[in-house]
Amino acid sequence: QSVLTQPPSVSAAPGQKVTISCSGSSSNIGNNYVSWYQQLPGTAPKLLIYENNKRPSGIPDRFSGSKSGTSATLGITGLQTGDEADYYCGTWDSSLSWVFGGGTKLTVL
Amino acid sequence: EVQLVESGGGLVKPGGSLRLSCAASGFTFSSYSMNWVRQAPGKGLEWVSSISSSSSYIYYADSVKGRFTISRDNAKNSLYLQMNSLRAEDTAVYYCARVVGYSYGDWGQGTLVTVSS
Repeated sequence: QSVLTQPPSVSAAPGQKVTISCSGSSSNIGNNYVSWYQQLPGTAPKLLIYENNKRPSGIPDRFSGSKSGTSATLGITGLQTGDEADYYCGTWDSSLSWVFGGGTKLTVL
Repeated sequence: EVQLVESGGGLVKPGGSLRLSCAASGFTFSSYSMNWVRQAPGKGLEWVSSISSSSSYIYYADSVKGRFTISRDNAKNSLYLQMNSLRAEDTAVYYCARVVGYSYGDWGQGTLVTVSS
């Protein structure tokens, strides 16, 4: 059971928009920055969003992040088949540990 | 270019030990906190341990506390994870990751640890 809660899967058609939620508590998301990671099949995770809503260089603006209270959301617009991957949210927790969501599998139909 | 290269994984019997290494290049290693994160087959990401840039602060997940030891050698640009009393549930791909700000900015390719008799 992960500390952060994500939906196990989401799906949408190419070109459409999808959002992935990440729910936590005041011990983690409520008082810390959230980051998002993309893990393509068979590869290591890659940073997608940091400090709630910032994109590293090279990440297209189709990817966006937001945070409100103890929840965060990853948005992906203009879906492409290459976006099919597992997506994880993560943040620091006051228990002096880093916590991840359980991951969300994105299927582009 | 930042590079993180893990090594040391393999097959080990329950109760055995293994030492993972992570060779870092492309950045000033001594300036960054480093972490180990693992992923069991078909499962999600699980944080294992953190070490600050000067080794002053070290943290462990409850699942490995007392069995795993994280360390670093800034002169060798290397991160380590000594794993003792290994269990079947420790079977996973182990990634080293560089902490950039409040996130894992860079990840290695991972090394597979299999604990089985």
